[in-house]
Amino acid sequence: QLQLQESGPGLVKPSETLSLTCTVSGGSISSSTYYWGWIRQPPGEGLDWIASIYYSGNTYYNPSLKSRVTISVDTSKNHFSLKLSSVTAADTAVYYCARLPTMATIYIWGQGTLVTVSS
Amino acid sequence: QSALTQPASVSGSPGQSITISCTGTSSDVGGYNYVSWYQQHPGKAPKLMIYDVSKRPSGVSNRFSGSKSGNTASLTISGLQAEDEADYYCCSYAGSDTWVLFGGGTKLTVL
Repeated sequence: QLQLQESGPGLVKPSETLSLTCTVSGGSISSSTYYWGWIRQPPGEGLDWIASIYYSGNTYYNPSLKSRVTISVDTSKNHFSLKLSSVTAADTAVYYCARLPTMATIYIWGQGTLVTVSS
Repeated sequence: QSALTQPASVSGSPGQSITISCTGTSSDVGGYNYVSWYQQHPGKAPKLMIYDVSKRPSGVSNRFSGSKSGNTASLTISGLQAEDEADYYCCSYAGSDTWVLFGGGTKLTVL
């Protein structure tokens, strides 16, 4: 059964770059026609889609974050990554990685990881 | 692009049915049959309940159903149970440049 696990620093300083990795287990990240994506949820707030990458490498970004976000896949390590630059306190959130059969269907979620932006 | 509009809260008694609405525009909800719904219990990751407007993933109770009329999608839960108490989010494909939108979420209380 496919599982996703987020990893990365839980604390990032303002103006620095947030970097997270999602490790895929129980299946190959390149074996099927799926999207892989990141969604975040600020404490006490709703869900916010950040970015997705198709198995072919095409990338898709939330227009409000596009200038600061990069999503990438490393098939050799069976993981995909998120980088969010110039972070502020508003970027404090639980970050989820996910597998998506279509852009708007988030079928498998990671457990989520809390990233706090603070000096 | 603004988030999709959901009621902040809904409530119902065990055994009753409730409906949660998700209103967008012709550029998102109304333009594509790619609306999904997620259930989230406190401290947990969201769970997919409905996709492609009205399809249920394997393992999801048939008490959950989805529909769409114009720019508004709806999630109906019949035969309410205590374990249905959770936050519910809608999500829609929104075409090129915007791509994906979420609703603000609805807190369901089972009285």
